[in-house]
Amino acid sequence: TQLLEQSPQFLSIQEGENLTVYCNSSSVFSSLQWYRQEPGEGPVLLVTVVTGGEVKKLKRLTFQFGDARKDSSLHITAAQPGDTGLYLCAGLLYNTNAGKSTFGDGTTLTVKP
Amino acid sequence: EAQVTQNPRYLITVTGKKLTVTCSQNMNHEYMSWYRQDPGLGLRQIYYSMNVEVTDKGDVPEGYKVSRKEKRNFPLILESPSPNQTSLYFCASSSSRYGYTFGSGTRLTVV
Repeated sequence: TQLLEQSPQFLSIQEGENLTVYCNSSSVFSSLQWYRQEPGEGPVLLVTVVTGGEVKKLKRLTFQFGDARKDSSLHITAAQPGDTGLYLCAGLLYNTNAGKSTFGDGTTLTVKP
Repeated sequence: EAQVTQNPRYLITVTGKKLTVTCSQNMNHEYMSWYRQDPGLGLRQIYYSMNVEVTDKGDVPEGYKVSRKEKRNFPLILESPSPNQTSLYFCASSSSRYGYTFGSGTRLTVV
């Protein structure tokens, strides 16, 4: 059973559309990260959220951590072809060693021009 | 430039031939970790280290060894590789619980 469930698994949209990707769990996390990965490269950290209810913005990307720290969402406004990639959420379970992290399966986003 | 460096980038080897994938970081990070990424299975943590001489198992440690004798280096050792260890491997480092910096990956094929 996957500890972090991401949805949707695949998303194909037109340039200019908005989208939301979800990361859900039944477990509580002390922190949760979002990464973006290009084919053949390592994931690149976009943001870390640590406080329940926290909202962070990175240009057109908005990240939210659920109040109970069990879920998170990534919203992209006016998507561009450069946003294409694999989006991964990862979390550090509450009361575990700081080095141990778990990843969701990812959402593959394609933004068509 | 702050980075995590893995070598080699590509490796083809035969079953049973011991190999080491090196990983080095220049950011003085305490935490280092190894992951493997497989289609349909996502990124899975193999081992992680919280400091020199402190390592612990991740979710899929079987068939792998690690060591952390220096803060900057965290090699991954496959004593007797098997075809089911064919995968894309990533090393990563972090200064805290707030997210990892990843290397560019090592694509390993065991035949």
